[in-house]
Amino acid sequence: AQSVTQPDIHITVSEGASLELRCNYSYGATPYLFWYVQSPGQGLQLLLKYFSGDTLVQGIKGFEAEFKRSQSSFNLRKPSVHWSDAAEYFCAVAQPSAGSYQLTFGKGTKLSVIP
Amino acid sequence: NAGVTQTPKFRILKIGQSMTLQCAQDMNHNYMYWYRQDPGMGLKLIYYSVGAGITDKGEVPNGYNVSRSTTEDFPLRLELAAPSQTSVYFCASSYSNSQGEQFFGPGTRLTVL
Repeated sequence: AQSVTQPDIHITVSEGASLELRCNYSYGATPYLFWYVQSPGQGLQLLLKYFSGDTLVQGIKGFEAEFKRSQSSFNLRKPSVHWSDAAEYFCAVAQPSAGSYQLTFGKGTKLSVIP
Repeated sequence: NAGVTQTPKFRILKIGQSMTLQCAQDMNHNYMYWYRQDPGMGLKLIYYSVGAGITDKGEVPNGYNVSRSTTEDFPLRLELAAPSQTSVYFCASSYSNSQGEQFFGPGTRLTVL
C-alpha cells in the first residue's frame, strides 16, 4: 500500500526567509503527487500537482515542488515566505482504485511565520 | 459556482444520537468523497462514490453510512454516535479523469460528548 511521510510536524520561519517542506512517498508505480494547503478553519486547497513530465512544477501563491524519483521525494519550496503562508500543508499521493483515484495523505506540516 | 458546500459547520452530539452531514457540489463531478481529519493524523477516507447509486468503503468506514441518489449530493450518516467520531469531516469531489485532483468543502466540526 502507498504511504506518505512528512517528517516535520511543525516548522517556524521568519517572514522573507526561504521554505522547504519535505515529503517522501512509497508507491510502486509512477505516482501522481499533490500538495494541499489548509488555512485555519478552512478546507484544503490545491497548491500544485505532479502527474508526469517536467519534475519541477509550479503552483499557486509562488510555491513550487520538485519530484525526485531516486529519492521518492516531492518537496515543496518557496523562496520568500509571507505571513499569510502560515497554514498546514499536506502532501498526498493518488492511487487508482475501483475506477477512481484515492488520495493518501501525509500527516501534515504546520507552518508558523514570524513577522 | 459555490463549489463544494457542507452543512452544518459545527455540531455537538450526545453519545448514541444520530445525524446526517450534508455535502453538495455544483461542478457536475462524478466522484465524491468523505474524509475525517484528526489532529496530527492527516485525512482518512471514510467512503467514496464514483456516481449516483454507487458507493464504496474507504479506509475507516465503521460507524458511518452514505448514499448517493443524485450527482450533486453525498450525505454522510452517523448512527449511534461515539466519542471516537469526534473529528472534522471533509467532503470532496472530482472529475472522473482528474487523476486524483479533488476539490474540498469547508468541513464540519463534530463533537460527540
